[in-house]
Amino acid sequence: QKEVEQDPGPLSVPEGAIVSLNCTYSNSAFQYFMWYRQYSRKGPELLMYTYSSGNKEDGRFTAQVDKSSKYISLFIRDSQPSDSATYLCAMRNAGNMLTFGGGTRLMVKP
Amino acid sequence: EADIYQTPRYLVIGTGKKITLECSQTMGHDKMYWYQQDPGMELHLIHYSYGVNSTEKGDLSSESTVSRIRTEHFPLTLESARPSHTSQYLCASSDVGLTRAFFGQGTRLTVV
Repeated sequence: QKEVEQDPGPLSVPEGAIVSLNCTYSNSAFQYFMWYRQYSRKGPELLMYTYSSGNKEDGRFTAQVDKSSKYISLFIRDSQPSDSATYLCAMRNAGNMLTFGGGTRLMVKP
Repeated sequence: EADIYQTPRYLVIGTGKKITLECSQTMGHDKMYWYQQDPGMELHLIHYSYGVNSTEKGDLSSESTVSRIRTEHFPLTLESARPSHTSQYLCASSDVGLTRAFFGQGTRLTVV
């Protein structure tokens, strides 16, 4: 079983929809949680990072962490075609190594 | 703004050739990483370094080697390229706490 599970999609939504992307994990030692966005043929770029449980908002993006359920989410409000990309969750423990999910491919249709 | 650069962006090379993929960062980060990613697939860590003269193998076994002679430079070398090495190679660096890891644009390698 993988340490971090992420539905590969693709997830197709109409423009303006609220998107929910999720990851589950099994390692309770994970402390930092990150979301990366990767456009086709490009390197991942960091969108958001959070520490421990709770919510963090940045513009149209909200990251949510529920450590008791080992579940993290990224919400995108008012989704745009430019949000079409693969979204990767990543986590790290005190050992400083990142563990990535497999990525969810999102398509926002005009 | 991330300042981490990979060259070349694309490389097509014949079987048996020796190649070096370059990665440089100007952020002064001690930690650097190489990931391998096949199209539509997840990232796999193949090498990492915690500083000058420090290199370790990652989770995914790789025939490549790396070196870290300078803080800003972390090249990856394949002594004899094979078609099975065809993939995208992504370099990343991070600060001490690894709360923010920055990626380069990647090198897409095709071995024919």
